Amino acid sequence: AQKVTQAQTEISVVEKEDVTLDCVYETRDTTYYLFWYKQPPSGELVFLIRRNSFDEQNEISGRYSWNFQKSTSSFNFTITASQVVDSAVYFCALTASRGTYKYIFGTGTRLKVLA
Amino acid sequence: DVKVTQSSRYLVKRTGEKVFLECVQDMDHENMFWYRQDPGLGLRLIYFSYDVKMKEKGDIPEGYSVSREKKERFSLILESASTNQTSMYLCASSLPQGAPYEQYFGPGTRLTVT
Repeated sequence: AQKVTQAQTEISVVEKEDVTLDCVYETRDTTYYLFWYKQPPSGELVFLIRRNSFDEQNEISGRYSWNFQKSTSSFNFTITASQVVDSAVYFCALTASRGTYKYIFGTGTRLKVLA
Repeated sequence: DVKVTQSSRYLVKRTGEKVFLECVQDMDHENMFWYRQDPGLGLRLIYFSYDVKMKEKGDIPEGYSVSREKKERFSLILESASTNQTSMYLCASSLPQGAPYEQYFGPGTRLTVT
């Protein structure tokens, strides 16, 4: 069975602090894809990144970075120098490579960045 | 710019009413999804459609049905609304499963059933 665990329900940080959101996944598939989405207060989930299981390179996009480690089944997301606009719920998701439409979402982590 | 729109942001209905939630995407995507989002439970898939008139049940289809008569439109129907269907409903679309693509989401419909 596939599963995504986001153990951090809510995190509060002060602006300019760095923060890491954890994502641990379970799957028996050897080929799979992982995603991160951001859900701001407006409600619409916004795609941030997709990573396949064969690509363990870390990714950096501006203040955002992602650390994918197959050895620990984790795909963690770090925001550097957080800003108030980063306040949102962040979801990690998993899907197998082919033949399925199922995206398994974690329960989300609510990030509050305080000014 | 990709766009998924949902007919209502907020909806209040009475128990027993038939409720229609509409979703339209302008990206010519084959796949469309309906999820419900509840606190502490994340997103749960209700139904999925991979083509016009084609549908598959998700994890929690009970009490719901769907309709996809046109590629761009995917409707979720609550045949007889109940209070336990009070939730946030999210529609999404994506390209077909060649390699799994990211989903594009609408803004959500917050449904309250009284």
